[in-house]
This record gives sequence, structure tokens and C-alpha cells, in this order.
Amino acid sequence: NAGVTQTPKFQVLKTGQSMTLQCAQDMNHEYMSWYRQDPGMGLRLIHYSVGAGITDQGEVPNGYNVSRSTTEDFPLRLLSAAPSQTSVYFCASSLSWTGANEKLFFGSGTQLSVL
Amino acid sequence: QQQVKQSPQSLIVQKGGISIINCAYENTAFDYFPWYQQFPGKGPALLIAIRPDVSEKKEGRFTISFNKSAKQFSLHIMDSQPGDSATYFCAASTWQAGTALIFGKGTTLSVSS
Repeated sequence: NAGVTQTPKFQVLKTGQSMTLQCAQDMNHEYMSWYRQDPGMGLRLIHYSVGAGITDQGEVPNGYNVSRSTTEDFPLRLLSAAPSQTSVYFCASSLSWTGANEKLFFGSGTQLSVL
Repeated sequence: QQQVKQSPQSLIVQKGGISIINCAYENTAFDYFPWYQQFPGKGPALLIAIRPDVSEKKEGRFTISFNKSAKQFSLHIMDSQPGDSATYFCAASTWQAGTALIFGKGTTLSVSS
């Protein structure tokens, strides 16, 4: 049982490049979310999904897109990378669609640097 | 507007001492208050959680104290150990479907031996 798997672990981009951060979970969780972690800022929610085909914006959604075509996968797309998007990104999932009131399982993170 | 305020930002405690981290919230609709623990290079992991129908919850050396009237809750780590050195996040959410967990900014705890 792998849990929440994020790839890649590290990525360096140039300003303006696009890329997709991958997130997959094998626990049949309905709720999935993306957070970014910056020093002194804690964890801030980017986007979340309460089920396949349903997504919504979090606190800091600008510059990011998501989709949820399957229960297992929840990729995060950076459309045109900016230095302000340099951060550590975490994907998290929980069992039910109420999501926030359940134990969140986090991936190990993707460290992204935008030059 | 920061919905969950956490303090202190960093904390140094001697081995065997008590570590106390505090959080305050503004939204009275919050009804779930978890604490997450994060070690360097890892994702956060749920440590302990409380709902507002109780004032205290204890799991081993970790205790959450909850004060609904003051809109505050705190994490107490008894007999702190070097292995407890980590970043701790408080969080809060409502029971409404589709709402998200709001995290505090985190407290970096160092337990010196």
C-alpha cells in the first residue's frame, strides 16, 4: 500500500515554463488536495477535489490548474511558472468527501524551484 | 485574514520539559481541530485531533486543550524528547461538505538533550 505518491521529488524550471506535478493515491480516497508550503507561511491550500470530476479553488489558486478525471489521480499544472511559485508542494487525500474533517494523508512533497 | 493564528513560531525545550503550542481561531463554525507533525523532508502527519464537544484529549504524551469560549486550543507535549523535534501545525475546519482544512503557520520545536 503506497499511500499518496508524488512525482517528481525535485524540479527546477525556468520562468515561463509549464509543468505538471503528479499525485496518485491507492486508498480509494474521495477527497484530494494540493498545498504549498513556504517558510513562515505554513501550509496554504491551492485546489481541492471532493470526487472525480469535481474541483474547487483554495486560498492561493492563481497560476495553477487541476483536474480530477479518476479517483486515484489529481495532477497540479503550472501554466507559466514564476519565481513566486518556488515552494514545496504537498498533495493530500482523505477517505470521504467531507474531507476536512478526516485524517489527511500527505505525500512526501515536491520541491520546486523557478529561476 | 488569517483564520488560525499559531504561536510561538519557534520553541526550544529541554529534554523532559513540557512543550506548549497555542492556536487561536476566529470562525465560530470551526468544529474540528487537528494537530499535524512534520519532520524535515517529510509530509505532515496527523498527530492528534479534537472536536469542540470535549475540553481535552490525551494520547500518550500529547494533549490537546480546547477552550471554546476563548476560541483557543493548545498542544501540550509532556516529557519532551529529542525525537519530538519537528514542525507542528494546528488546523481547523467546519463539518460542511467540501470545506478545506485551514492550517496555522507552524511552530518549529527543538528539544535539546
